Amino acid sequence: GDSVTQMEGPVTLSEEAFLTINCTYTATGYPSLFWYVQYPGEGLQLLLKATKADDKGSNKGFEATYRKETTSFHLEKGSVQVSDSAVYFCALTPREGSGSRLTFGEGTQLTVNP
Amino acid sequence: DTEVTQTPKHLVMGMTNKKSLKCEQHMGHRAMYWYKQKAKKPPELMFVYSYEKLSINESVPSRFSPECPNSSLLNLHLHALQPEDSALYLCASSQDTGLGDQYFGPGTRLLVL
Repeated sequence: GDSVTQMEGPVTLSEEAFLTINCTYTATGYPSLFWYVQYPGEGLQLLLKATKADDKGSNKGFEATYRKETTSFHLEKGSVQVSDSAVYFCALTPREGSGSRLTFGEGTQLTVNP
Repeated sequence: DTEVTQTPKHLVMGMTNKKSLKCEQHMGHRAMYWYKQKAKKPPELMFVYSYEKLSINESVPSRFSPECPNSSLLNLHLHALQPEDSALYLCASSQDTGLGDQYFGPGTRLLVL
C-alpha cells in the first residue's frame, strides 16, 4: 500500500536558518503530494501541494518539488522564523486533490529559537 | 471562506456519559471526514461521508456514532468511551471524495476520565 516516510524529528533551528524536512513516498501510479502544518493547539492547515512530477508547490516562503525519479517531496525554507515552530506532515493521495484518502507521514516537530 | 468550525473546543467526559461533537462547513463541500489524532501522531481516518451518506467506516468501535444531518453539518456521538479514546478529534471537508483539497477544523480535544 501507499506510505510516506518523513525525517525523524524533532528539528531545532535558530531564527533565519535554512530548513529542510525530508519526505519520501511509496505509491502506485501518480499520487498527489501535500505538506500540512499543525501549530500548537490547532488543526491541520494545508501548506502546499503538487499534483504531478516536477511541479513545485510554494506558500509562505516554503517550497517543495515533486521528484518522481527519487519519489521525494522535501520541504524547504530559506530563512525560518520563530512563528514557523509547528509540526509538519507530509501526505499523499492517489489522485489529484486530497479529497480522497490521505496517507500521512509521522510528522516532524520543528522548533525555531530566537 | 475556507473555514471548518468545530464545537466544543474541549470536552471532558466520564465513561458513562453521552456527548456529541459538532462540525460545520459552509463551503458547499459534499465530503466530510472525522479523524482521531493522538499526541505526536498523524491523524487517523475514522469516517467519511459523501453526499450525506456514510461511505467509509475504518472499523471504528460502535461507541463512536457519526451522523450527517445535512450537507453542512457532521456530528460524532460518543457513548461509553474508554480513557484510551482521549485524543484530538478533527473534522475535515472537501469538494468531493475524489476532488478538491481537505480543509481541517481546529479540533475538539477530548478527555475521557
